Amino acid sequence: AQKVTQAQTEISVVEKEDVTLDCVYETRDTTYYLFWYKQPPSGELVFLIRRNSFDEQNEISGRYSWNFQKSTSSFNFTITASQVVDSAVYFCALSEAGSNTGKLIFGQGTTLQVKP
Amino acid sequence: EAQVTQNPRYLITVTGKKLTVTCSQNMNHEYMSWYRQDPGLGLRQIYYSMNVEVTDKGDVPEGYKVSRKEKRNFPLILESPSPNQTSLYFCASSLKGQGVGYTFGSGTRLTVV
Repeated sequence: AQKVTQAQTEISVVEKEDVTLDCVYETRDTTYYLFWYKQPPSGELVFLIRRNSFDEQNEISGRYSWNFQKSTSSFNFTITASQVVDSAVYFCALSEAGSNTGKLIFGQGTTLQVKP
Repeated sequence: EAQVTQNPRYLITVTGKKLTVTCSQNMNHEYMSWYRQDPGLGLRQIYYSMNVEVTDKGDVPEGYKVSRKEKRNFPLILESPSPNQTSLYFCASSLKGQGVGYTFGSGTRLTVV
């Protein structure tokens, strides 16, 4: 069965600290896609990254980095030198290429609070 | 600008009063879908549509209807809203679904009293 688990419900850090958001997924498909979305207090979903199952290279984009490890079925997200503007709910999601519903399977979300 | 437009952004209604949340995309996407977001549950799929006149149930379809008469529009209909449908709703579109990039609307916060 497909599933995405974000075990951390809430994380609180002080500005400039590094923080890692965990994401563990389950799928039987060999071809799948993993996503991270940010939901600021205004409520919209902001796309951050998409990775496919054949590309295990880590990715860095400014203060953001992602560690994709198929061996542990994890796709963790690290924010370096966090800022107050990073405060949001972050969702990890999975999409299976073999799905006939096109569904994005979301984790429960992690609420990140960055204090000044 | 490529986008998914949802209306209204906020809605407060009473139990049993039929309502429609509209969703429109300007990217000629074949695939469209509705999700609801509830605390601790993430987003769950309500209905999806692979193309015009092709719709199917997602994980939580009870109490909802949809239609896809034209490619760009995918309205979500609540025939008789109940308080347990109080939620944040998102419409999404994708070229064909199945892992290709999804574009989300800004969300509709619905309260049923």
